[in-house]
Amino acid sequence: GAGVSQTPSNKVTEKGKYVELRCDPISGHTALYWYRQSLGQGPEFLIYFQGTGAADDSGLPNDRFFAVRPEGSVSTLKIQRTERGDSAVYLCASSPGTGASEQYFGPGTRLTVT
Amino acid sequence: GQQVMQIPQYQHVQEGEDFTTYCNSSTTLSNIQWYKQRPGGHPVFLIQLVKSGEVKKQKRLTFQFGEAKKNSSLHITATQTTDVGTYFCAGPKSNTGKLIFGQGTTLQVKP
Repeated sequence: GAGVSQTPSNKVTEKGKYVELRCDPISGHTALYWYRQSLGQGPEFLIYFQGTGAADDSGLPNDRFFAVRPEGSVSTLKIQRTERGDSAVYLCASSPGTGASEQYFGPGTRLTVT
Repeated sequence: GQQVMQIPQYQHVQEGEDFTTYCNSSTTLSNIQWYKQRPGGHPVFLIQLVKSGEVKKQKRLTFQFGEAKKNSSLHITATQTTDVGTYFCAGPKSNTGKLIFGQGTTLQVKP
């Protein structure tokens, strides 16, 4: 079956602009996660959804970052007033159940803020 | 806060040599997961260990979970060039879906 997909694969934007990153999880997976990965580092947790609600958003760095999952499937990560430090690969993952189960990652969106 | 540390950060081996990476958590974990990320790719789930002292094998890969459920290791026997990549361990925060990843061990294999 289809895996997790993310669009766009690459996004270049100017400092101060607004961006949206999209994630399509594996069909039927109830949990969806967003991570940020900088070069040479492990994925850094941002937020996770169980269904439509954000179960844990403690990893969002500040109020410029926001994520939604209105119908419990597709999710959008929104970044306002982008800064150069936001440049990274944004990874989305999904898992079939609640709690601590294995996660299936998408290919990521490489965000570059100039 | 909860931290997960991995050593070494990098390892270069000759093809056919063995490789081990070690993972340590600052807190007791309900489980430990291992992921592999190929250069330019995304993390791919390898395995999950749940029980204290658990050992699991996948062909040439052997995974261990420590007795105190705070440390883990991945050992690869007779490395091949296809083993190249970064290996991450990850532990959940308080049995939630939030995974805390280590910084990874990058393996290079010389043919």
